[in-house]
Amino acid sequence: DTAVSQTPKYLVTQMGNDKSIKCEQNLGHDTMYWYKQDSKKFLKIMFSYNNKELIINETVPNRFSPKSPDKAHLNLHINSLELGDSAVYFCASRGPGNTIYFGEGSWLTVV
Amino acid sequence: EDQVTQSPEALRLQEGESSSLNCSYTVSGLRGLFWYRQDPGKGPEFLFTLYSAGEEKEKERLKATLTKKESFLHITAPKPEDSATYLCAVQADSSASKIIFGSGTRLSIRP
Repeated sequence: DTAVSQTPKYLVTQMGNDKSIKCEQNLGHDTMYWYKQDSKKFLKIMFSYNNKELIINETVPNRFSPKSPDKAHLNLHINSLELGDSAVYFCASRGPGNTIYFGEGSWLTVV
Repeated sequence: EDQVTQSPEALRLQEGESSSLNCSYTVSGLRGLFWYRQDPGKGPEFLFTLYSAGEEKEKERLKATLTKKESFLHITAPKPEDSATYLCAVQADSSASKIIFGSGTRLSIRP
């Protein structure tokens, strides 16, 4: 049983398109995150939700909009995709001892 | 500003050759320092949490240590299966929900 699952795993799309990545965690955690990992492996926090409420919103273009319908789900919608959005996007949740549990990642390629 | 710097960027060792990875941090009050392992195509996987200077944690061939300015991940007699990217992350008192990652050290162990 996967603890943090995200779909799709791979996504290739054209510039200007709108796409969504879905994330679900079955760990019962209150806090969830979206991280972006660039080609140099640098993991940068984008958003964090606690019990469906936005608590961290880093300097991310407003083309990126997270949505949390309940505390087990945190989806990421991206409008008007640009080449620079190509990266791996990781969903995560925070558990006891502040341990972060990551999903397998979603590889986004914008062409 | 809270910051995490890891060195070296990449490290190649012969099987059995022990070494250390470094994580230097600057935070306004450290709440926790974390080590993760990331295999290619996967999400980061939790290894250790350290909370205060002088603390040490061990797991198989890995030992993590913490001082007031840096943490080391010591690898003793590594095996090829220890090859991965090792990520360090910190959580500051000033923003408990925000966990900041370094850019990682790519470790490669030759048989």
